[in-house]
Parts: sequence; C-alpha cells; structure tokens
Amino acid sequence: QTVVSQEPSFSVSPGGTVTLTCGLSSGSVSTDYYPSWYQQTPGQPPRRLVYSTNTRSSGVPDRFSGSILGNRAALTITGAQAEDECDYHCVLYLGSGIWMFGGGTKLAIL
Amino acid sequence: EVQLVESGGDLVQPGGSLRLSCAASGFSFNMYWMHWVRQAPGQGLVWVSRIDSDGRSATYADSVKGRFTISRDNTKNTLYLQMNSLRVEDTAVYYCVRDSRYVPDMWGQGTMVTVSS
Repeated sequence: QTVVSQEPSFSVSPGGTVTLTCGLSSGSVSTDYYPSWYQQTPGQPPRRLVYSTNTRSSGVPDRFSGSILGNRAALTITGAQAEDECDYHCVLYLGSGIWMFGGGTKLAIL
Repeated sequence: EVQLVESGGDLVQPGGSLRLSCAASGFSFNMYWMHWVRQAPGQGLVWVSRIDSDGRSATYADSVKGRFTISRDNTKNTLYLQMNSLRVEDTAVYYCVRDSRYVPDMWGQGTMVTVSS
C-alpha cells in the first residue's frame, strides 16, 4: 500500500528557514505527481500554498516555495514568521483521480 | 463569490446512513472534477472519493468502497456523498474539494459527521 510521509513536527526560529518534505513509500516523488502544499489553522479548511511542485497560489507570500529535493517534494519557508505556526499538508496525485495526502507536519515557531 | 458549502453532517449511530451535499457557486461547476476529503479529529487529511465532471466516472478509497457513493447534479450545481453502513472510524469533518488539473484548489468549510452510539 502506497504511503505518503511527512515529518510529524518541526520547529524553526522566527526569521529562520525551514524545509518540510513529502516522500512516497513506493519510490521517488517527481513532478508527475503534481505535489502540492496546504496550510491549515485550527478549525479552518486547508489553504493552498504551492501546487504542481513549485507554483505559488495567488496571494501567497514569496517566502513560501516548492521544489523537488532528491526523491522528495519540499516546501521551504524562508524568513519564518509567527503566523506560519500551523499544520502543513502535502498531497500527491496518483492517477485515476486519486489523491494521497501525507500525515501533515505541525510547525512550531520558537 | 466562488464558494463551496457543505451540509448534511450529523450524529448517527453505527450502521446508519447519511447524505452530504455540497452547493457550488461562482464558477462553472460542470467543468470540474470534484472530490470528498475527510479529516478525523486531530488527524491528517484523507482522500475519500472523486467524480468526473459529467458524473459518469467515480473512484473511491478502499476504506469506503461499497459503502459510500459519490454523485452530482450539474443542473443544481451540487455534489453529494451518500454514506451507508457508517462506522465509528468514519467520524470526521468532510470537505468538498474542487479539482483543478489534478490538484485540490478550492475547499469548502466542511461538515462534521459523528458516528457514535
């Protein structure tokens, strides 16, 4: 069974840089999986940050960027701010209309 | 305004049924694939089901196959999820999500389904 993995938690200092990753149990993540990233605060639906590997959604600050690092998709936050403390989810498209989400990463700004 | 509004969530006993609805507005609903995604309390997001733009093709997660049915009425701009034989583990917020080129791009606010005796 295919599993998408994310770091369960991460911490970064205010103003620092952090890279969250998204991996695939069955192999490498590539652009063919259209990796995308979402930010979620408590009680709210997810908000799309980056889609199709590295395209920022409208209105998303440019401190958020997406890429492929090695065999994983990555979301980098450069110059983290206090309001970035929340949950981050990645999703991969597996084909046939199927999405698979990672377990989410809880980011702390310490 | 472009939006998705879910409804129909409720408290139901194990083995019961529920139908969720998602009303779409502000965009051409009949041009998009649509999905249901759920999130159990304190947990991550889990894909449930997808339907194509004209309602002819649907796909399901193994965990709901045979119990849930996704459908749509393009004349009413509405997406549905019929949930039968509900289990405690189906307890979650259910989100209606628009698919844009294989990627989730718009989410509703969600509707809570609680399965408990």
